[in-house]
Amino acid sequence: DGGITQSPKYLFRKEGQNVTLSCEQNLNHDAMYWYRQDPGQGLRLIYYSQIVNDFQKGDIAEGYSVSREKKESFPLTVTSAQKNPTAFYLCASSRDRGPEAFFGQGTRLTVV
Amino acid sequence: SQKIEQNSEALNIQEGKTATLTCNYTNYSPAYLQWYRQDPGRGPVFLLLIRENEKEKRKERLKVTFDTTLKQSLFHITASQPADSATYLCALDPRGNNRLAFGKGNQVVVIP
Repeated sequence: DGGITQSPKYLFRKEGQNVTLSCEQNLNHDAMYWYRQDPGQGLRLIYYSQIVNDFQKGDIAEGYSVSREKKESFPLTVTSAQKNPTAFYLCASSRDRGPEAFFGQGTRLTVV
Repeated sequence: SQKIEQNSEALNIQEGKTATLTCNYTNYSPAYLQWYRQDPGRGPVFLLLIRENEKEKRKERLKVTFDTTLKQSLFHITASQPADSATYLCALDPRGNNRLAFGKGNQVVVIP
């Protein structure tokens, strides 16, 4: 089945640690995105990539980093510089010039 | 500043009635607007897209209207069912480059 797979579903991080969230898609989509969702808030764009080896910052990129070495994969690293990392993280993909976005099931990150 | 506004109060509706949700936006001139459904702890799922030159779009029991003069979209669920209970998000692409901006969502609760 085609889709987007995010792992893990739940992730716990100690303060000061970096952690990487996985996102893989087999839809052959060119564009991939990372969003953050907080309770009562809309989705906010962290990073996006429209092609392999290229990515751009979204609205809240500080404290995050990404890579796009393969078309299928777009991992997100939450660094220790992110002051409030506890949130629900969503990965999405779309065809080039989409516009429909396909989302993964999300990773809930909690800092302990 | 640019805003996408959805009603923060949950809409409680009796089964069989029509649920109507509103999405208002300011300082955008989107070419299209999208609606997504999100269940608790899950990623959003695309429902409908309506373009700026379309007044109305239908899909099964769902209907979306788009008024670019009022800068408003209405989302209707006719003959609502308890399975329609979820949060509905509107989204638009302010720069025409697939970087979607989302409203905070509007929860619908269908009472049997």
